[in-house]
Amino acid sequence: AQSVSQHNHHVILSEAASLELGCNYSYGGTVNLFWYVQYPGQHLQLLLKYFSGDPLVKGIKGFEAEFIKSKFSFNLRKPSVQWSDTAEYFCAVNANSGTYKYIFGTGTRLKVLA
Amino acid sequence: GAVVSQHPSWVICKSGTSVKIECRSLDFQATTMFWYRQFPKQSLMLMATSNEGSKATYEQGVEKDKFLINHASLTLSTLTVTSAHPEDSSFYICSASPLTDTQYFGPGTRLTVL
Repeated sequence: AQSVSQHNHHVILSEAASLELGCNYSYGGTVNLFWYVQYPGQHLQLLLKYFSGDPLVKGIKGFEAEFIKSKFSFNLRKPSVQWSDTAEYFCAVNANSGTYKYIFGTGTRLKVLA
Repeated sequence: GAVVSQHPSWVICKSGTSVKIECRSLDFQATTMFWYRQFPKQSLMLMATSNEGSKATYEQGVEKDKFLINHASLTLSTLTVTSAHPEDSSFYICSASPLTDTQYFGPGTRLTVL
């Protein structure tokens, strides 16, 4: 069965620290990959997505992610986090089957200390 | 762009009653809408996929007679929780997708069944 793993469940960083959140998926075919962010009390917002092309994808708010096909990974990065990045981050995979269904990872709760 | 609204944002009901939640895409036509449940501090669990003008497709383990989904137009889908019980208390989130693989999420509806 298809699955998405986010190994870091809770991450605590100080402001200006670098961030990398892991996302691995299990599916052998073509995939579309997404990172969403959920700020406290708010709805999920799309940070970035990868469909094809350059495996290094830049998103909003200074986030980027790299698709490494051989590792089935799509890790999220930000060189310098801010207090306002405190949120929950979800990785999602669509198996490009035309159904548009996502499989979500379990989420990573990030807390940035001021 | 790509705004999705949900109504109500919060509802409390008595056990045995039915509750309807609306999901609207405000600035685009959504051929497909999705309904999720999110438990506290957990990821989103897909309940069903709703296509305009056709029956919803439910995920395994989701009772279709309990969670009635109607996608009557390209901008509106409704989820009715019938004969609600306390175990149905949860955060229900909808998302909408135009003819792309990207989903846009609503703010969610918190259902509390007494």
